[in-house]
Amino acid sequence: AQKITQTQPGMFVQEKEAVTLDCTYDTSDPSYGLFWYKQPSSGEMIFLIYQGSYDQQNATEGRYSLNFQKARKSANLVISASQLGDSAMYFCAMREGLGVDSNYQLIWGAGTKLIIKP
Amino acid sequence: ETGVTQSPTHLIKTRGQQVTLRCSSQSGHNTVSWYQQALGQGPQFIFQYYREEENGRGNFPPRFSGLQFPNYSSELNVNALELDDSALYLCASTQTEFSGNTIYFGEGSWLTVV
Repeated sequence: AQKITQTQPGMFVQEKEAVTLDCTYDTSDPSYGLFWYKQPSSGEMIFLIYQGSYDQQNATEGRYSLNFQKARKSANLVISASQLGDSAMYFCAMREGLGVDSNYQLIWGAGTKLIIKP
Repeated sequence: ETGVTQSPTHLIKTRGQQVTLRCSSQSGHNTVSWYQQALGQGPQFIFQYYREEENGRGNFPPRFSGLQFPNYSSELNVNALELDDSALYLCASTQTEFSGNTIYFGEGSWLTVV
């Protein structure tokens, strides 16, 4: 079974509009973290935002926010006021087990290609 | 600026050859992981090193091996290259004592096997 599912292979969004990228996850571990990364065509994986399973508030980082719905096992990324430079692949990833000496393996979704139209 | 640098950025190898990819992490980042990302897919976990010991491995054969050094640098070695090894190889590091919540990646090494 897929542990991270991103159901939108591609999205077109008008510049300055808000966009929501979907991510659902599957884990039986009560302690986990969810990550979003942006990958431009150059290949670099750029960290955007993190949400821990025990965090009470939804994470925010500038124009990025994470809509965390624990009961639904979803962690959607919201980008407000999209810009042309936001065009890239976006990946949702999960780390299971948050102990200091735990495995830091990230499990990844297939990604969503976001294209911002001028 | 992630503080994680990888080299080389691009390389072409012949099937059957061996390759070494290098990664330099931020000072204090005691955990490093390597990922393989085939074109059009999400990354796949290869292995992880914590304080110079391998402590996690994905579904990759033994011809994928690694090292981590005391100066926070690491290597990924791949022997007997196959055409399917053509991919982007990503190095990631984090400082586990403080927070494993921010995992930084380098710019990757693009490997083409012909």
